[in-house]
Amino acid sequence: SQKIEQNSEALNIQEGKTATLTCNYTNYSPAYLQWYRQDPGRGPVFLLLIRENEKEKRKERLKVTFDTTLKQSLFHITASQPADSATYLCALDIADSWGKLQFGAGTQVVVTP
Amino acid sequence: GAVVSQHPSRVICKSGTSVKIECRSLDFQATTMFWYRQFPKKSLMLMATSNEGSKATYEQGVEKDKFLINHASLTLSTLTVTSAHPEDSSFYICSADGTRLDTQYFGPGTRLTVL
Repeated sequence: SQKIEQNSEALNIQEGKTATLTCNYTNYSPAYLQWYRQDPGRGPVFLLLIRENEKEKRKERLKVTFDTTLKQSLFHITASQPADSATYLCALDIADSWGKLQFGAGTQVVVTP
Repeated sequence: GAVVSQHPSRVICKSGTSVKIECRSLDFQATTMFWYRQFPKKSLMLMATSNEGSKATYEQGVEKDKFLINHASLTLSTLTVTSAHPEDSSFYICSADGTRLDTQYFGPGTRLTVL
């Protein structure tokens, strides 16, 4: 397995600003990388998937980038809202393991009005 | 679409008892389901991969005799924590592969507390 690093410190941001989260990995580049949202006491909810041959993906106010040279993905929430407050997890597919995912520990985002 | 349920959502049991957690895909068939556990402020740790009609595949360090997994149908997988101890207290989450094998749909989780 590889090491996946996400900022452990909570990201506090004012409503309307853009939140940017980082996901770094150390070893092989995954075939795809995913971002999930997790609320306290709940299971993760799938947000976006980006493949190794894609540079950027967008979905409404969310944007994900994937740089296999830097071994990094950035997750952006534009025009953030208090309802965006949650923990965001990145997940990478595990090489040669069909469908298995390895998760980062997540970054908590707190959006204040 | 792609809804996964878990039952129960919370369970408290005495040490030494066994607890069964159900994971169901409600509106799709899932050939593969995954079981995770998560400690507070920690990452999801994959415990095992469950395939319908065959034995589960356990990750390194996970005791297969302690965490019994049964995937009897394309919509149901169960995890039984046998002879539970306080150190088994955790948040257990299942997920299911939908029609897209690169996306997992997660259940709401089960909070297990062993006294």
